[in-house]
Amino acid sequence: KQEVTQIPAALSVPEGENLVLNCSFTDSAIYNLQWFRQDPGKGLTSLLLIQSSQREQTSGRLNASLDKSSGRSTLYIAASQPGDSATYLCAVSDTNAGKSTFGDGTTLTVKP
Amino acid sequence: DGGITQSPKYLFRKEGQNVTLSCEQNLNHDAMYWYRQDPGQGLRLIYYSQIVNDFQKGDIAEGYSVSREKKESFPLTVTSAQKNPTAFYLCASSMGRDQPQHFGDGTRLSIL
Repeated sequence: KQEVTQIPAALSVPEGENLVLNCSFTDSAIYNLQWFRQDPGKGLTSLLLIQSSQREQTSGRLNASLDKSSGRSTLYIAASQPGDSATYLCAVSDTNAGKSTFGDGTTLTVKP
Repeated sequence: DGGITQSPKYLFRKEGQNVTLSCEQNLNHDAMYWYRQDPGQGLRLIYYSQIVNDFQKGDIAEGYSVSREKKESFPLTVTSAQKNPTAFYLCASSMGRDQPQHFGDGTRLSIL
């Protein structure tokens, strides 16, 4: 059974700092990996989707990498801003279409 | 604007009562999903549907039921058999397994 772990559970940084969030998974037979952002009491917003054949994806200040063989993904946030404060979740989709397994998330606080 | 609408935002259930959560999308997506989120945790898959009139159990389907009679609608019924229904329920949709999942704003269900 796929297990997804996100470390750390919480992270606090000063504004302007570059940071990395980590996601690890136990079964490397994945179809894709997706990073989401969740604001308190809200649904999830998709940030980046990496297909299993890809190594990384970039969108603005965000860069996500995928190392399938080691079961790891990282989300790099450059020049963090207070508006980046949220919970970030990663989800891996297995080869059986439609089934995704989520990590518990990393709650990020960016202090002005 | 295209999107996913979940209603109601808050719902209360009495003992022995079935309740139905609504999820409607106008994105013309084929696949739809229901997730449950407990405090401080990630999402767990309840049911998913890849096409109209077809759906599959996720990891925690016991005590829940769904239907998919129309492409745009995927209602979730929380039955009296679900003994711990208090949670945040999220509906999502996607064009297919290669595409990102889009989420609604969720329904928070509580026990009276």
